Amino acid sequence: AQSVTQLGSHVSVSEGALVLLRCNYSSSVPPYLFWYVQYPNQGLQLLLKYTSAATLVKGINGFEAEFKKSETSFHLTKPSAHMSDAAEYFCAVSEGSNNLFFGTGTRLTVIP
Amino acid sequence: SAVISQKPSRDICQRGTSLTIQCQVDSQVTMMFWYRQQPGQSLTLIATANQGSEATYESGFVIDKFPISRPNLTFSTLTVSNMSPEDSSIYLCSVDPGTGVYEQYFGPGTRLTVT
Repeated sequence: AQSVTQLGSHVSVSEGALVLLRCNYSSSVPPYLFWYVQYPNQGLQLLLKYTSAATLVKGINGFEAEFKKSETSFHLTKPSAHMSDAAEYFCAVSEGSNNLFFGTGTRLTVIP
Repeated sequence: SAVISQKPSRDICQRGTSLTIQCQVDSQVTMMFWYRQQPGQSLTLIATANQGSEATYESGFVIDKFPISRPNLTFSTLTVSNMSPEDSSIYLCSVDPGTGVYEQYFGPGTRLTVT
Protein backbone atom coordinates (compact mmCIF):
# COMPACT_ATOMS: atom_id res chain seq x y z
CA ALA A 1 0.00 0.00 0.00
CA GLN A 2 1.16 3.49 -0.72
CA SER A 3 1.62 6.14 1.93
CA VAL A 4 3.42 9.41 2.46
CA THR A 5 5.09 10.78 5.57
CA GLN A 6 6.04 14.41 5.86
CA LEU A 7 8.34 15.00 8.81
CA GLY A 8 7.66 18.31 10.48
CA SER A 9 4.22 19.82 10.31
CA HIS A 10 5.78 23.26 10.74
CA VAL A 11 9.11 24.50 9.43
CA SER A 12 10.50 27.99 9.96
CA VAL A 13 13.43 29.43 8.05
CA SER A 14 14.97 32.86 7.77
CA GLU A 15 14.66 34.74 4.52
CA GLY A 16 17.59 33.74 2.32
CA ALA A 17 18.19 30.47 4.14
CA LEU A 18 17.95 26.98 2.73
CA VAL A 19 14.50 25.41 2.62
CA LEU A 20 14.31 21.65 3.23
CA LEU A 21 10.94 19.93 3.45
CA ARG A 22 11.05 16.19 4.01
CA CYS A 23 8.93 13.54 2.35
CA ASN A 24 9.23 9.78 2.68
CA TYR A 25 6.99 7.38 0.85
CA SER A 26 6.14 3.74 0.74
CA SER A 27 5.15 2.07 -2.47
CA SER A 28 5.09 -1.48 -3.76
CA VAL A 29 5.88 -0.36 -7.29
CA PRO A 30 7.99 2.45 -8.79
CA PRO A 31 6.13 5.53 -7.71
CA TYR A 32 5.12 8.78 -9.28
CA LEU A 33 5.84 11.57 -6.79
CA PHE A 34 4.57 15.11 -6.58
CA TRP A 35 4.99 18.25 -4.52
CA TYR A 36 2.12 20.71 -4.32
CA VAL A 37 1.96 24.14 -2.69
CA GLN A 38 -1.16 25.69 -1.19
CA TYR A 39 -1.18 29.40 -0.49
CA PRO A 40 -3.70 30.74 2.02
CA ASN A 41 -7.28 30.45 0.82
CA GLN A 42 -6.23 28.94 -2.49
CA GLY A 43 -6.21 25.54 -4.16
CA LEU A 44 -3.18 23.36 -4.73
CA GLN A 45 -0.56 24.24 -7.31
CA LEU A 46 1.78 21.63 -8.75
CA LEU A 47 5.39 22.51 -7.91
CA LEU A 48 7.13 19.54 -9.50
CA LYS A 49 6.78 15.86 -10.31
CA TYR A 50 8.97 12.76 -10.51
CA THR A 51 8.02 10.31 -13.23
CA SER A 52 11.01 7.91 -13.36
CA ALA A 53 13.15 10.09 -15.58
CA ALA A 54 15.88 12.21 -13.94
CA THR A 55 16.15 11.71 -10.20
CA LEU A 56 16.74 15.42 -9.62
CA VAL A 57 13.61 17.28 -10.57
CA LYS A 58 13.40 21.02 -10.98
CA GLY A 59 10.13 22.80 -10.46
CA ILE A 60 8.68 26.26 -10.39
CA ASN A 61 9.75 29.12 -8.14
CA GLY A 62 13.29 27.74 -7.73
CA PHE A 63 12.27 24.53 -5.96
CA GLU A 64 13.75 21.15 -6.69
CA ALA A 65 13.46 17.65 -5.29
CA GLU A 66 15.63 14.56 -5.47
CA PHE A 67 14.24 11.05 -5.72
CA LYS A 68 16.32 8.64 -3.62
CA LYS A 69 15.07 5.11 -4.02
CA SER A 70 17.39 3.67 -1.37
CA GLU A 71 16.01 6.11 1.20
CA THR A 72 12.44 6.12 -0.18
CA SER A 73 12.61 9.88 0.00
CA PHE A 74 11.63 12.83 -2.16
CA HIS A 75 12.70 15.88 -0.17
CA LEU A 76 11.94 19.37 -1.45
CA THR A 77 14.63 22.04 -1.35
CA LYS A 78 15.20 25.64 -2.31
CA PRO A 79 18.59 27.31 -1.85
CA SER A 80 17.28 30.66 -0.66
CA ALA A 81 13.89 31.22 0.95
CA HIS A 82 11.75 34.16 -0.06
CA MET A 83 8.91 35.67 1.90
CA SER A 84 6.52 34.61 -0.85
CA ASP A 85 7.39 30.95 -0.21
CA ALA A 86 5.34 30.96 3.00
CA ALA A 87 2.61 28.38 2.36
CA GLU A 88 1.53 24.80 3.02
CA TYR A 89 3.41 22.14 1.08
CA PHE A 90 2.05 18.68 0.33
CA CYS A 91 3.89 15.64 -0.94
CA ALA A 92 1.84 13.07 -2.85
CA VAL A 93 2.44 9.61 -4.32
CA SER A 94 0.79 7.55 -7.02
CA GLU A 95 1.40 3.91 -7.76
CA GLY A 96 0.40 4.36 -11.34
CA SER A 97 -3.18 5.41 -10.97
CA ASN A 98 -5.12 8.59 -10.45
CA ASN A 99 -5.52 7.83 -6.78
CA LEU A 100 -3.07 10.27 -5.25
CA PHE A 101 -2.15 9.79 -1.60
CA PHE A 102 -1.22 13.01 0.12
CA GLY A 103 0.96 13.62 3.12
CA THR A 104 -0.32 15.64 6.03
CA GLY A 105 1.44 18.77 4.84
CA THR A 106 4.20 21.05 6.09
CA ARG A 107 3.52 24.68 6.84
CA LEU A 108 6.53 26.80 5.89
CA THR A 109 7.07 30.10 7.68
CA VAL A 110 9.69 32.52 6.38
CA ILE A 111 11.12 34.90 8.95
CA PRO A 112 12.26 38.29 7.68
CA SER B 1 -2.03 23.37 -17.71
CA ALA B 2 -5.79 23.44 -17.30
CA VAL B 3 -7.52 26.40 -15.69
CA ILE B 4 -10.16 25.32 -13.20
CA SER B 5 -12.79 27.43 -11.52
CA GLN B 6 -15.19 26.56 -8.73
CA LYS B 7 -18.40 28.12 -7.53
CA PRO B 8 -19.12 29.18 -4.89
CA SER B 9 -15.74 30.07 -3.43
CA ARG B 10 -17.21 29.89 0.05
CA ASP B 11 -20.55 29.46 1.74
CA ILE B 12 -22.09 29.24 5.17
CA CYS B 13 -24.98 26.81 5.35
CA GLN B 14 -27.38 25.57 7.97
CA ARG B 15 -27.39 21.95 9.03
CA GLY B 16 -29.84 19.76 7.18
CA THR B 17 -29.56 21.70 3.93
CA SER B 18 -27.67 20.81 0.76
CA LEU B 19 -25.09 22.69 -1.28
CA THR B 20 -24.07 22.07 -4.87
CA ILE B 21 -20.53 22.99 -5.86
CA GLN B 22 -19.67 23.57 -9.49
CA CYS B 23 -16.35 22.87 -11.19
CA GLN B 24 -15.56 24.24 -14.63
CA VAL B 25 -12.46 23.46 -16.70
CA ASP B 26 -11.24 25.47 -19.66
CA SER B 27 -10.43 22.36 -21.71
CA GLN B 28 -11.93 18.92 -22.21
CA VAL B 29 -10.69 16.34 -19.74
CA THR B 30 -11.67 12.75 -19.24
CA MET B 31 -11.10 12.42 -15.53
CA MET B 32 -12.21 14.79 -12.79
CA PHE B 33 -11.88 14.28 -9.09
CA TRP B 34 -13.42 15.65 -5.92
CA TYR B 35 -11.44 15.99 -2.69
CA ARG B 36 -12.24 17.06 0.84
CA GLN B 37 -9.76 18.92 3.00
CA GLN B 38 -10.92 19.09 6.58
CA PRO B 39 -9.59 21.91 8.77
CA GLY B 40 -5.87 21.55 9.32
CA GLN B 41 -5.71 18.25 7.51
CA SER B 42 -4.60 16.82 4.21
CA LEU B 43 -6.68 15.98 1.17
CA THR B 44 -8.93 12.96 0.97
CA LEU B 45 -10.32 11.74 -2.33
CA ILE B 46 -14.12 11.58 -2.33
CA ALA B 47 -14.76 10.27 -5.81
CA THR B 48 -13.65 10.08 -9.41
CA ALA B 49 -16.04 11.46 -12.01
CA ASN B 50 -15.74 10.35 -15.62
CA GLN B 51 -18.04 11.71 -18.27
CA GLY B 52 -20.70 9.25 -19.29
CA SER B 53 -20.41 6.93 -16.33
CA GLU B 54 -21.32 6.78 -12.67
CA ALA B 55 -18.87 8.35 -10.27
CA THR B 56 -16.60 5.99 -8.36
CA TYR B 57 -16.60 6.66 -4.62
CA GLU B 58 -13.80 6.00 -2.19
CA SER B 59 -14.27 4.11 1.04
CA GLY B 60 -16.22 6.16 3.53
CA PHE B 61 -18.06 8.25 0.95
CA VAL B 62 -21.48 7.37 -0.48
CA ILE B 63 -23.53 8.64 -3.37
CA ASP B 64 -26.53 9.56 -1.22
CA LYS B 65 -24.40 11.99 0.77
CA PHE B 66 -22.19 13.27 -2.07
CA PRO B 67 -24.04 12.93 -5.39
CA ILE B 68 -21.90 13.90 -8.36
CA SER B 69 -22.83 14.86 -11.89
CA ARG B 70 -20.56 14.93 -14.92
CA PRO B 71 -22.68 16.05 -17.87
CA ASN B 72 -19.81 16.85 -20.22
CA LEU B 73 -16.02 16.94 -20.52
CA THR B 74 -15.59 20.39 -18.97
CA PHE B 75 -18.01 20.45 -16.05
CA SER B 76 -18.91 18.59 -12.88
CA THR B 77 -20.91 19.21 -9.73
CA LEU B 78 -20.63 17.83 -6.22
CA THR B 79 -23.57 18.09 -3.86
CA VAL B 80 -23.10 17.89 -0.12
CA SER B 81 -26.44 16.65 1.16
CA ASN B 82 -28.13 16.91 4.54
CA MET B 83 -25.19 18.80 5.92
CA SER B 84 -23.89 18.64 9.46
CA PRO B 85 -21.09 20.67 11.09
CA GLU B 86 -18.75 17.74 10.41
CA ASP B 87 -19.06 18.54 6.71
CA SER B 88 -17.32 21.88 7.24
CA SER B 89 -14.31 21.55 4.95
CA ILE B 90 -12.70 22.80 1.80
CA TYR B 91 -13.93 20.90 -1.23
CA LEU B 92 -11.62 20.83 -4.22
CA CYS B 93 -12.05 19.53 -7.70
CA SER B 94 -9.12 18.45 -9.81
CA VAL B 95 -8.47 17.12 -13.28
CA ASP B 96 -6.01 14.80 -14.92
CA PRO B 97 -4.72 16.73 -17.95
CA GLY B 98 -3.96 13.51 -19.78
CA THR B 99 -0.16 13.68 -19.74
CA GLY B 100 0.07 10.05 -18.69
CA VAL B 101 1.96 10.64 -15.43
CA TYR B 102 -1.05 10.95 -13.12
CA GLU B 103 -0.51 14.58 -12.22
CA GLN B 104 -3.58 16.54 -11.25
CA TYR B 105 -4.44 20.19 -11.45
CA PHE B 106 -6.64 21.65 -8.76
CA GLY B 107 -9.33 24.26 -8.59
CA PRO B 108 -9.24 27.01 -5.96
CA GLY B 109 -11.58 25.15 -3.64
CA THR B 110 -14.92 25.85 -1.99
CA ARG B 111 -14.76 26.66 1.71
CA LEU B 112 -17.90 25.34 3.37
CA THR B 113 -18.98 26.13 6.90
CA VAL B 114 -22.01 24.37 8.34
CA THR B 115 -23.68 25.93 11.35
